[in-house]
Amino acid sequence: AQSVAQPEDQVNVAEGNPLTVKCTYSVSGNPYLFWYVQYPNRGLQFLLKYITGDNLVKGSYGFEAEFNKSQTSFHLKKPSALVSDSALYFCAVRALDTGRRALTFGSGTRLQVQP
Amino acid sequence: GAGVSQSPRYKVAKRGQDVALRCDPISGHVSLFWYQQALGQGPEFLTYFQNEAQLDKSGLPSDRFFAERPEGSVSTLKIQRTQQEDSAVYLCASSLVGHEETQYFGPGTRLLVL
Repeated sequence: AQSVAQPEDQVNVAEGNPLTVKCTYSVSGNPYLFWYVQYPNRGLQFLLKYITGDNLVKGSYGFEAEFNKSQTSFHLKKPSALVSDSALYFCAVRALDTGRRALTFGSGTRLQVQP
Repeated sequence: GAGVSQSPRYKVAKRGQDVALRCDPISGHVSLFWYQQALGQGPEFLTYFQNEAQLDKSGLPSDRFFAERPEGSVSTLKIQRTQQEDSAVYLCASSLVGHEETQYFGPGTRLLVL
């Protein structure tokens, strides 16, 4: 079975400050890891993914995430937060070594960036 | 280009009614997924198609849920005899086939069962 934990329901940060949204995962074998963002009344938008290679992945809108195999983590980061980054963020995992293509999502973290 | 589209965007049903939710994937995307997102939760997998073949339906919660994709493009998720616990946002996603594919999501259909 595969699972994702997002330990913070909400993260508050001031505009211009760095932000981190935490994610840990559990999967058999090697993982594919994803971050999606959800704005109100809109579907999930893809931000970035880790497949193999460099542990630091860069994605859309200045976001990046660091894969840490020993800690089974894939935290989302941004050096300088914008008010427009306020949204709901989901981490997701898929096992590389199985034929199953379904994503397993965390419960989401609401990011609130204050002006 | 056009993204994944879903219709209707909102649906109110009385308990016991049947509903049908439609998904138009991105043109050329072979894989299609349905997810259910309850309020305050992350999406949960329901079923997966590759072309017209339903390869994984392990997430369908009961035999009241049925999905089809007869021509390998548009898909319909049907829920029979709706119950209040079926109230959720139903998300459709599509992707190119391949082991590194990224799933692209539609805006969802919000279903409210009264």
